[in-house]
Amino acid sequence: AQSVTQLGSHVSVSEGALVLLRCNYSSSVPPYLFWYVQYPNQGLQLLLKYTSAATLVKGINGFEAEFKKSETSFHLTKPSAHMSDAAEYFCAVSDPWNRDDKIIFGKGTRLHILP
Amino acid sequence: EPEVTQTPSHQVTQMGQEVILRCVPISNHLYFYWYRQILGQKVEFLVSFYNNEISEKSEIFDDQFSVERPDGSNFTLKIRSTKLEDSAMYFCASSRGRTSLTDTQYFGPGTRLTVL
Repeated sequence: AQSVTQLGSHVSVSEGALVLLRCNYSSSVPPYLFWYVQYPNQGLQLLLKYTSAATLVKGINGFEAEFKKSETSFHLTKPSAHMSDAAEYFCAVSDPWNRDDKIIFGKGTRLHILP
Repeated sequence: EPEVTQTPSHQVTQMGQEVILRCVPISNHLYFYWYRQILGQKVEFLVSFYNNEISEKSEIFDDQFSVERPDGSNFTLKIRSTKLEDSAMYFCASSRGRTSLTDTQYFGPGTRLTVL
């Protein structure tokens, strides 16, 4: 069975500082991996995804994530936080070979940006 | 940019009542999904739908749940007799194809269901 674990339900960073949101996955097959963001009162928006092409994936709003098979990690980073980055971030995984194409989400990390 | 829409944004109902949550997927998409998120918990897969039939459903999706694409544009989730534990945010998603480098699931803003 596949799963993701997000370390830290809440993360606070100062505006302009590095953002690092941690995600580790468990999968018996090479997975697809995703980061979604949820702004208040909005739906889930895809930030970026890994589908077995380049291991460093660049997404929207300056975010990127690196797939590290040896560490089973897919951490999300952004060099310089902006106030508008305050939101909840979900790491997710899916099995490319599974018929149902379902996405399995982590519990989420709420990112707080300090002025 | 096309987006998935959901109505209503918030639905309050009495336990035992039937509710229908509505979604309008992106127009050229062929795969449809429902997920739910109980407050404070993970987003969980409920069901996937393709070619007018259910592709897969989770253990959560029991006989009280059903999905339908009644008119080629709407995609609905019906809960026949709601229970308190059905209170959650329900997300609809759609995709043009299966997840790949070029295709992905797009999510709607969600319907918050409160069962009293």
